[in-house]
Amino acid sequence: AQSVAQPEDQVNVAEGNPLTVKCTYSVSGNPYLFWYVQYPNRGLQFLLKYITGDNLVKGSYGFEAEFNKSQTSFHLKKPSALVSDSALYFCAVRDYKLSFGAGTTVTVRA
Amino acid sequence: EAEVAQSPRYKITEKSQAVAFWCDPISGHATLYWYRQILGQGPELLVQFQDESVVDDSQLPKDRFSAERLKGVDSTLKIQPAELGDSAMYLCASSTRPTGVHEQYFGPGTRLTVT
Repeated sequence: AQSVAQPEDQVNVAEGNPLTVKCTYSVSGNPYLFWYVQYPNRGLQFLLKYITGDNLVKGSYGFEAEFNKSQTSFHLKKPSALVSDSALYFCAVRDYKLSFGAGTTVTVRA
Repeated sequence: EAEVAQSPRYKITEKSQAVAFWCDPISGHATLYWYRQILGQGPELLVQFQDESVVDDSQLPKDRFSAERLKGVDSTLKIQPAELGDSAMYLCASSTRPTGVHEQYFGPGTRLTVT
């Protein structure tokens, strides 16, 4: 069975500091991995995906993610966080369906 | 930019009543999904359509939930009768293809409160 784990319920960083949101996955076969962001009372917005190829994937709003097959991880990163990045972030893996992690709440303080 | 439309945005209903949600996917998207998101959790797939056909409804509580996409465009999700445990956000999403490489685009959701 496919699954993702987001080990941190919350991540707090100061504006301008690097931001990392962790994700590990479990899937048989090649993983298709995604990151989505959700703002309050809104639907999910697609940030980026890994299908194959380069392990460093660049996405929207300055976010990137690093795929590590040996550690079965797909951590989301941003070199310099903004207050507007405060939101709920979901990692997801797609095998026969899209399975989401429980989410990580990111708070960026000014 | 094209978006997935959902209505209503908020719905309060009493238990045992019927409730319905509507979704209009991005034009040209053949695949449509309904998810349920309980507070504090990630979305869980309820049903997936390819055009007008259901391709996965394994997690849909069929004794009370039904979904249709009659003309392969917009879709309706119904709950009858609603129960207290149905309180959640109901999200609709669409994609161009059903395969894993294609990202899904989500609507703003319908927040259901059952009293």
